Amino acid sequence: NAGVTQTPKFQVLKTGQSMTLQCAQDMNHNSMYWYRQDPGMGLRLIYYSASEGTTDKGEVPNGYNVSRLNKREFSLRLESAAPSQTSVYFCASSELNRVQYFGPGTRLTVL
Amino acid sequence: KQEVTQIPAALSVPEGENLVLNCSFTDSAIYNLQWFRQDPGKGLTSLLLIQSSQREQTSGRLNASLDKSSGRSTLYIAASQPGDSATYLCAAPNLISSGSARQLTFGSGTQLTVLP
Repeated sequence: NAGVTQTPKFQVLKTGQSMTLQCAQDMNHNSMYWYRQDPGMGLRLIYYSASEGTTDKGEVPNGYNVSRLNKREFSLRLESAAPSQTSVYFCASSELNRVQYFGPGTRLTVL
Repeated sequence: KQEVTQIPAALSVPEGENLVLNCSFTDSAIYNLQWFRQDPGKGLTSLLLIQSSQREQTSGRLNASLDKSSGRSTLYIAASQPGDSATYLCAAPNLISSGSARQLTFGSGTQLTVLP
């Protein structure tokens, strides 16, 4: 099992550019999550999807959109990147009330 | 809103020592608490999930305890090794309005260095 995979691993964008971060899990989990991790701020939830077909905002959703493409895949889109979105982005998946499994992360720099 | 605090922020110990990492949370209406490990430049790896009905959970040299009434959890690492050097994070859930998924609130972590 690959677990949770994320692409790309690294990305550099210019302010105003758009991009989509991809996440896939092969554990047949219903719930999927997107977090960002910043020094001094810890991990913060951006969006989550409780099940296929549903998405909800987390703590810091502004500037992001998500799509739960199917049970396996959950993408995060930055429509117009800003320097404040420079961060490490993690995708995770779980069953309800169970352990969350994390991907390796995407390191994004917005110039 | 759940708030999670971890003390100390950093800890350095010689190899072989037993050590305790602390985690406190403000909302005691939790159904479980998770401990994770993060190596530099890597994602998070789950170490232990302790249910609210349990007081302790053990995995190898790791033991996590949970005291909901006091809003505290501890992670005990026995006979520490240099390979244990990493950042350790605890995470407690928030109940969200939909009820169908659970957000986790993470502490800022304790950066552990085990010296050979």
